[in-house]
Amino acid sequence: EAGVAQSPRYKIIEKRQSVAFWCNPISGHATLYWYQQILGQGPKLLIQFQNNGVVDDSQLPKDRFSAERLKGVDSTLKIQPAKLEDSAVYLCASSTPRRLGQYFGAGTRLSVL
Amino acid sequence: DAKTTQPTSMDCAEGRAANLPCNHSTISGNEYVYWYRQIHSQGPQYIIHGLKNNETNEMASLIITEDRKSSTLILPHATLRDTAVYYCIGLNYNQGGKLIFGQGTELSVKP
Repeated sequence: EAGVAQSPRYKIIEKRQSVAFWCNPISGHATLYWYQQILGQGPKLLIQFQNNGVVDDSQLPKDRFSAERLKGVDSTLKIQPAKLEDSAVYLCASSTPRRLGQYFGAGTRLSVL
Repeated sequence: DAKTTQPTSMDCAEGRAANLPCNHSTISGNEYVYWYRQIHSQGPQYIIHGLKNNETNEMASLIITEDRKSSTLILPHATLRDTAVYYCIGLNYNQGGKLIFGQGTELSVKP
């Protein structure tokens, strides 16, 4: 089966610019996650969707980050405006209710200059 | 979710078994132990999980102590492609099933 698809693979922007990342989960996976991974650290959950509803966004910096999953399939994560400390890899993952683990995409590496 | 403690780094010779320990002394009775690994420049990859019993799949074996305070991930015949950061995570589905990644163990498999 096809894995979790993410684009772009790399993005370089200047601070105060906007950026958006796209994720297409594995077909049939109802749960979708966005993580932020800063260099040298483990991934940190930003937001979790169940179908098109938000389950957990407690770690999402809502003043600048937003995410949507309008039709319960693919999702977009946006940062507006970006700060230097947003430089990180943004990972998308999806899972089924069968507790067989989360499947991760390759991530988008963001550099904010 | 339980706090887990893992060694920062480990080395293993190619072809030998890699035994990665994890301490989770505060784990609750309905909390699963999950293992993921992350190869450089890739997303994390699910390896195995367990609750009380030992588990084995095509990738690895998971040995959980009887008191559930610690576990060991075993890669029976490590290859160079197993070089990665390995994360041990306690996961409670009754509390949302959120994966909380720590620092993990950086495993280096050497020829």
